[in-house]
Amino acid sequence: RKEVEQDPGPFNVPEGATVAFNCTYSNSASQSFFWYRQDCRKEPKLLMSVYSSGNEDGRFTAQLNRASQYISLLIRDSKLSDSATYLCVVNTGSNSGYALNFGKGTSLLVTP
Amino acid sequence: DTEVTQTPKHLVMGMTNKKSLKCEQHMGHRAMYWYKQKAKKPPELMFVYSYEKLSINESVPSRFSPECPNSSLLNLHLHALQPEDSALYLCASSQDQARSSYNEQFFGPGTRLTVL
Repeated sequence: RKEVEQDPGPFNVPEGATVAFNCTYSNSASQSFFWYRQDCRKEPKLLMSVYSSGNEDGRFTAQLNRASQYISLLIRDSKLSDSATYLCVVNTGSNSGYALNFGKGTSLLVTP
Repeated sequence: DTEVTQTPKHLVMGMTNKKSLKCEQHMGHRAMYWYKQKAKKPPELMFVYSYEKLSINESVPSRFSPECPNSSLLNLHLHALQPEDSALYLCASSQDQARSSYNEQFFGPGTRLTVL
């Protein structure tokens, strides 16, 4: 079983739509959680860290459910510029806490 | 300044060449990383340096040789690579584990390597 699993998509949504991405992780000892965004042929960029209480940054809301080992990202009022691959990333705390486990990414295409 | 820089942006090399990739950060981070990313795949961890010491080597072939000359710089020396080593090589940095339990990693723009 993969450590971090995501629906690969692609998700094709019209501008203005709300879209939700889900992610599950297998290691219950995981300590920290992130969503990264990666544009084609570019580096991953940190979108949000995901905290136990949930957190919001503008149109983006991240939730963590430790009991279900589940992380979500909600994007409201989608923009064309939101088109990218969204990577769910988990730090299991192994390897001295440095190693991140990446999901395979969910592809989002926002259309006019 | 949350920037990690990498040079060169692109590199084409033959299987007998020796080349080096360079990475620099000025955020005061004490952990630095090399990742390899193939198309449509997530990044794969290669090496981790913590306080300029190699702390993780993910069973990477010896044709890849990392070096951390100081806390701001990270190099990856390449020798006798194979065509399947062609990929995007990403450098990242983070605060050390003791100071930040969340340990967010910030990535450089990468070097796109082609091995002929």
